Amino acid sequence: DSGVTQTPKHLITATGQRVTLRCSPRSGDLSVYWYQQSLDQGLQFLIQYYNGEERAKGNILERFSAQQFPDLHSELNLSSLELGDSALYFCASSPARTRNPLHEQFFGPGTRLTVL
Amino acid sequence: AQTVTQSQPEMSVQEAETVTLSCTYDTSESDYYLFWYKQPPSRQMILVIRQEAYKQQNATENRFSVNFQKAAKSFSLKISDSQLGDAAMYFCAYRRAVYNNNDMRFGAGTRLTVKP
Repeated sequence: DSGVTQTPKHLITATGQRVTLRCSPRSGDLSVYWYQQSLDQGLQFLIQYYNGEERAKGNILERFSAQQFPDLHSELNLSSLELGDSALYFCASSPARTRNPLHEQFFGPGTRLTVL
Repeated sequence: AQTVTQSQPEMSVQEAETVTLSCTYDTSESDYYLFWYKQPPSRQMILVIRQEAYKQQNATENRFSVNFQKAAKSFSLKISDSQLGDAAMYFCAYRRAVYNNNDMRFGAGTRLTVKP
C-alpha cells in the first residue's frame, strides 16, 4: 500500500459523458501527478500539481482538466468522453518539500475507466 | 523531449535463471534519474530500483541490479535467481532532476514471463 488513494476503482460510462477521478496523496506530499495507461502501453504523463498550482503539463487533451485543492487532494475531469479514453488512470504523489529532487513517486492503485 | 525505449515487448526466463531487460533513453540533460517499475497483474506500480545519473556505481536491490551506461544512454535491468513472483510488466522510466517539476517519462514496457 503506497498511501495514495484513488476513487473510484472502476468507472463505466458512455461516450459524450463527463467523469471526475479523485486522488488523495500520501500525507505530507505536495506534488500530485496524473498518468494515463492505455491497454498494454506505458504510462503517459498528463499533468502535475504542486501545492495547488499547475507545475507541468504533458499530453493532456483539452477535454481533460485537473485541479488540486487546499487539502491537497486532486481531481481529474474528463469530458466529452470518447471510446479511446478508456484506460487506467494513475495518480502519484511525491514529497517535494525539499530541494533534494531524489524523491520517488508513489503510485495509487489506479482508476479503470471504460467508455462504451 | 525525453524519450524512453524498451525494445523487448516480451521476455521469458526459467525460474532461478537470470534475465536482462533493456532500456535506452534520449536526453540532452546531464542530471536525471532512471527507474524500473514493476506492474503485476494487479496493475499496481511498484518501484524496483532507481539510479541517479551522477552516480557511476550501478544500483542494486537484492536480486535486482542495473547496468547504467551514461554515454550510451542505456539502463538495463538484471534479475537474478528469477522467481515466479517476478512475472509482470516492467517499465523503464526517466525523470529530470528539476526541483518540483519531475514528471516521469515511461517506456512501453516489457512483459516478463517466468517459467517454472
